[in-house]
Amino acid sequence: DTEVTQTPKHLVMGMTNKKSLKCEQHMGHRAMYWYKQKAKKPPELMFVYSYEKLSINESVPSRFSPECPNSSLLNLHLHALQPEDSALYLCASRRTGDSGELFFGEGSRLTVL
Amino acid sequence: AQKITQTQPGMFVQEKEAVTLDCTYDTSDQSYGLFWYKQPSSGEMIFLIYQGSYDEQNATEGRYSLNFQKARKSANLVISASQLGDSAMYFCAMRETSLTSYDKVIFGPGTSLSVIP
Repeated sequence: DTEVTQTPKHLVMGMTNKKSLKCEQHMGHRAMYWYKQKAKKPPELMFVYSYEKLSINESVPSRFSPECPNSSLLNLHLHALQPEDSALYLCASRRTGDSGELFFGEGSRLTVL
Repeated sequence: AQKITQTQPGMFVQEKEAVTLDCTYDTSDQSYGLFWYKQPSSGEMIFLIYQGSYDEQNATEGRYSLNFQKARKSANLVISASQLGDSAMYFCAMRETSLTSYDKVIFGPGTSLSVIP
C-alpha cells in the first residue's frame, strides 16, 4: 500500500469548473511535490513545498493553485482549465537529507472536457 | 541547468537475462543524487535505487545495480535475472543538492522495457 494518498483517483471537469486534488502523507516528510504526467512522457515538475512554504514553482499557469495547509496535506486547486491540462497528476513527498527519495501517490487522472 | 538523457525509448530482454538501461546527465553541481524509478502500466511510480555523487561504490538493491561513472556523467541501471513483472517504464531522475535547487527533482524521458517469456 502506498503511504501517499491521493484523492480523487479520477476527475472529470468542464472548463468552467473549480475542483481540487488532495494529497496526504503521514511519514513526517517535510517536502511535498506536484508533478504532471502526460501519456508516455516523464513526470513534469510543477510545484514543491518545503516546510509548508512554496519553494519551487516551475512557471505553472495560475489556473493551477497549490496549497499546503499543514505538513501532511497538499492540495492543488484547479480553475478554468483547458483540455490540454488533461493528465495524470502525481503527488510525492520526500524525507529530508541528501539521499531522500520521492515517495509517490497513485495519482489523480484528470480529464478536462 | 539540469538535464537527463535516456537514449533507449524501448528495450526488449529475454526472461532471466540481464539488461542495462542507459542514463546520462548534465549538471554543473558537484553534489547531486541520482535515482531510478519504475512505472508499471498501473501508473504508480516505484523507487528502485539511489546513488549519491560522492558515493565511491556503485549502489545495489537486490536485482538492481547502478553502474555509476562520474567522469562520463552516466548512471546506468542494470537489472539482473529479468522477470515478466519487470515490464514497465523506467525513469532516471536527478536532484541537485546545492542550496539554490535543493528540492528540485527532474526526470529523464524514460525507457520502456518489455520482458519476453
